Amino acid sequence: LAKTTQPISMDSYEGQEVNITCSHNNIATNDYITWYQQFPSQGPRFIIQGYKTKVTNEVASLFIPADRKSSTLSLPRVSLSDTAVYYCLVAPRGTGFQKLVFGTGTRLLVSP
Amino acid sequence: DVKVTQSSRYLVKRTGEKVFLECVQDMDHENMFWYRQDPGLGLRLIYFSYDVKMKEKGDIPEGYSVSREKKERFSLILESASTNQTSMYLCASSLSGSSFYEQYFGPGTRLTVT
Repeated sequence: LAKTTQPISMDSYEGQEVNITCSHNNIATNDYITWYQQFPSQGPRFIIQGYKTKVTNEVASLFIPADRKSSTLSLPRVSLSDTAVYYCLVAPRGTGFQKLVFGTGTRLLVSP
Repeated sequence: DVKVTQSSRYLVKRTGEKVFLECVQDMDHENMFWYRQDPGLGLRLIYFSYDVKMKEKGDIPEGYSVSREKKERFSLILESASTNQTSMYLCASSLSGSSFYEQYFGPGTRLTVT
């Protein structure tokens, strides 16, 4: 599976846009990029998934450059409730997912 | 709303005991997963099931077994609990195909083995 690298932590203020970048230099052709959010004492929650270019939903946007060696999760106008750990997951839909590891994620702290 | 429930939020067991962790999902998902989450190690896949009675090993299956007798229920079994199995255990479910990684997680079971 592709190894992913994310910043350990980020700080922001309410109302700002937050961009969290994940590096995955050895991404494979059939790998998809998925982001999850996790609050303390809860299971992770699916945010967004993409393969290439840009994907947007009601919660976030995911930007993937043409070489797919990185991806950026964009959270518009964060609030205090966006304080959480964010995981980038790069994995294939077919074989190979058995070695699935979410990694340690990025701890986002949003302050007033 | 998708709901994944786990039988216990907190569990304390003694070394050598047989431990059952139950997970139930109500969305008719084909796939079910068991992960463990440890500080500094992230979430690691223990076992995966894509259909009733079907299972595949994940990254760290040693010391664990699973059972899926009904589509909505996936059980994780620790045959003889050991202290290194103290962890947070998370169950998840998903549809197949393009939604495979749109996984819905339960609240987790924090297991302590003494």
